Amino acid sequence: SQKIEQNSEALNIQEGKTATLTCNYTNYSPAYLQWYRQDPGRGPVFLLLIRENEKEKRKERLKVTFDTTLKQSLFHITASQPADSATYLCALDSLYGGSQGNLIFGKGTKLSVKP
Amino acid sequence: GAGVSQSPSNKVTEKGKDVELRCDPISGHTALYWYRQSLGQGLEFLIYFQGNSAPDKSGLPSDRFSAERTGGSVSTLTIQRTQQEDSAVYLCASSFNHRVSISPLHFGNGTRLTVT
Repeated sequence: SQKIEQNSEALNIQEGKTATLTCNYTNYSPAYLQWYRQDPGRGPVFLLLIRENEKEKRKERLKVTFDTTLKQSLFHITASQPADSATYLCALDSLYGGSQGNLIFGKGTKLSVKP
Repeated sequence: GAGVSQSPSNKVTEKGKDVELRCDPISGHTALYWYRQSLGQGLEFLIYFQGNSAPDKSGLPSDRFSAERTGGSVSTLTIQRTQQEDSAVYLCASSFNHRVSISPLHFGNGTRLTVT
């Protein structure tokens, strides 16, 4: 079955730096991969979706890359701010082909941005 | 409301009691999902509805867990004879259609269940 690994449980960086979070998967390559943000006591909030034929996707200070050869997605936050502090989750389809089924989530990386 | 609503937000129950958790999805969203999140763990898929039917019940941990959805809207997750290991945050999400690949999930803020 598909497994997702987010390589660090916690990441501490200084304000203004770029945060880079990693998501690796072990089995088939999904057609799509999604990133979510979760704040304490809240449900996850969708941030970005990237398709397998897209190498890179940007939204404001966020950038996601998707490398199907490495079976890896990188999530970057440039010019990080303390307000970016949260847990970030990557998610992908549980079934090859990806049109049905459910999303499986990584355990997340807790990002702390220090002023 | 504009978002996914879950109730209650917190529930404390004694071991052996039954509990019902409710989810009101975003209006017009045909797909509805239940996940469970334990401390320090990732989101664990429980069950998914497309309309009122549940094509995938594979994630339900035991036969003490059941869920239903009526009228293509509100869903209830029921846990019978609760055990301490059932303590977790139960998250509900909805999406515009069942193609999760392209239709992101909108989550509620969850129900924190504590079994004493």
